[in-house]
Amino acid sequence: GNSVTQMEGPVTLSEEAFLTINCTYTATGYPSLFWYVQYPGEGLQLLLKATKADDKGSNKGFEATYRKETTSFHLEKGSVQVSDSAVYFCALSDHLGGAQKLVFGQGTRLTINP
Amino acid sequence: NAGVTQTPKFQVLKTGQSMTLQCAQDMNHEYMSWYRQDPGMGLRLIHYSVGAGITDQGEVPNGYNVSRSTTEDFPLRLLSAAPSQTSVYFCASRPPGSKSTGELFFGEGSRLTVL
Repeated sequence: GNSVTQMEGPVTLSEEAFLTINCTYTATGYPSLFWYVQYPGEGLQLLLKATKADDKGSNKGFEATYRKETTSFHLEKGSVQVSDSAVYFCALSDHLGGAQKLVFGQGTRLTINP
Repeated sequence: NAGVTQTPKFQVLKTGQSMTLQCAQDMNHEYMSWYRQDPGMGLRLIHYSVGAGITDQGEVPNGYNVSRSTTEDFPLRLLSAAPSQTSVYFCASRPPGSKSTGELFFGEGSRLTVL
């Protein structure tokens, strides 16, 4: 079945560092791809998305490009802040019994030190 | 607009006890779902519903029941809790217009511990 693999965490960086969190996927067809973020004590919220190959999703300084040739959707940010500390989930859309669902990666915990 | 509301936020059960996790949304979303979050495993789909009166199983449905009598509510029932059900549970919903992309709106989660 369809699956998502994220880079192992936790990841610890200093403020203003460059961030990359790798995400690769296995899927039949052309799923939509997502990055969700979970701040401490909260539910997941959508960070960005891309619905077709070569699309770039962006939000709050984060970017990710849908790469069909490498089946990847890596998350990047040029200069991280302490407030970016959170758990990040890569996900793809899938179909289950005629309904869409999201398949999530295992999550990557990011800590930014001042 | 409250979004997706889950109760309780925390619960401790003994093995064999039953309980219901409540989920309500006020956004008139047709699609609702329950996920569990376990360390190193991401989120896994338990059950989902595409509308009132319609429910179906996800990846890990065993030990859980659901019903959908109204558009707003989607409770998750544990009939006989087991330690393996210790987890954080998230309810999520989706508006009809985003069926093609799958974006979900999540509640804040319910942390369940089964002793």
